[in-house]
Amino acid sequence: AQTVTQSQPEMSVQEAETVTLSCTYDTSESNYYLFWYKQPPSRQMILVIRQEAYKQQNATENRFSVNFQKAAKSFSLKISDSQLGDTAMYFCAFMSLMNRDDKIIFGKGTRLHILP
Amino acid sequence: DGGITQSPKYLFRKEGQNVTLSCEQNLNHDAMYWYRQDPGQGLRLIYYSQIVNDFQKGDIAEGYSVSREKKESFPLTVTSAQKNPTAFYLCASQRGAWNEKLFFGSGTQLSVL
Repeated sequence: AQTVTQSQPEMSVQEAETVTLSCTYDTSESNYYLFWYKQPPSRQMILVIRQEAYKQQNATENRFSVNFQKAAKSFSLKISDSQLGDTAMYFCAFMSLMNRDDKIIFGKGTRLHILP
Repeated sequence: DGGITQSPKYLFRKEGQNVTLSCEQNLNHDAMYWYRQDPGQGLRLIYYSQIVNDFQKGDIAEGYSVSREKKESFPLTVTSAQKNPTAFYLCASQRGAWNEKLFFGSGTQLSVL
């Protein structure tokens, strides 16, 4: 069974700094998607970024980028020029493309505080 | 605007009572999901449905029931058999149960009186 591990329960950084959130996963499959979701204090879940495992190029969305290391099964999220609005819980998630019945698996989350 | 609507935002349950959480989507999505969120636990899957009139148990289905009579609706009933129902419940939908991102509702906070 697949697992997703986020080893940093909580982090704090100063506004405008760069921060990296870690995520590792375990799977025997070769074809899958990885996601980062953000949950601000409103508790609305928002997709931040998505990475297809077959793509070598790391995904980027404005200030958000990932470092996808397939062999190491690592999928970290980098937030550049962090802003107060980035304060949120961040969840890493895995979705299999091999088995249609497989569901999306979430990590336990990292609570990120951006300090003024 | 298209989206997912969960109601109510807050819900209180008395001991021995069944309560139903509503989830409606107008995105024409095939798949719908219910997740439970507890502090420090991330999101855990309760039930999911990939098509109307069909649904499967997730990782923590005991004490819950669902129905999928219409494509737009996927209500979750928290039964009296669920001994620890206090949690934040999130409903999500997906265009197809394959390589598509999840769209989430705004959640329901369920508490026990």
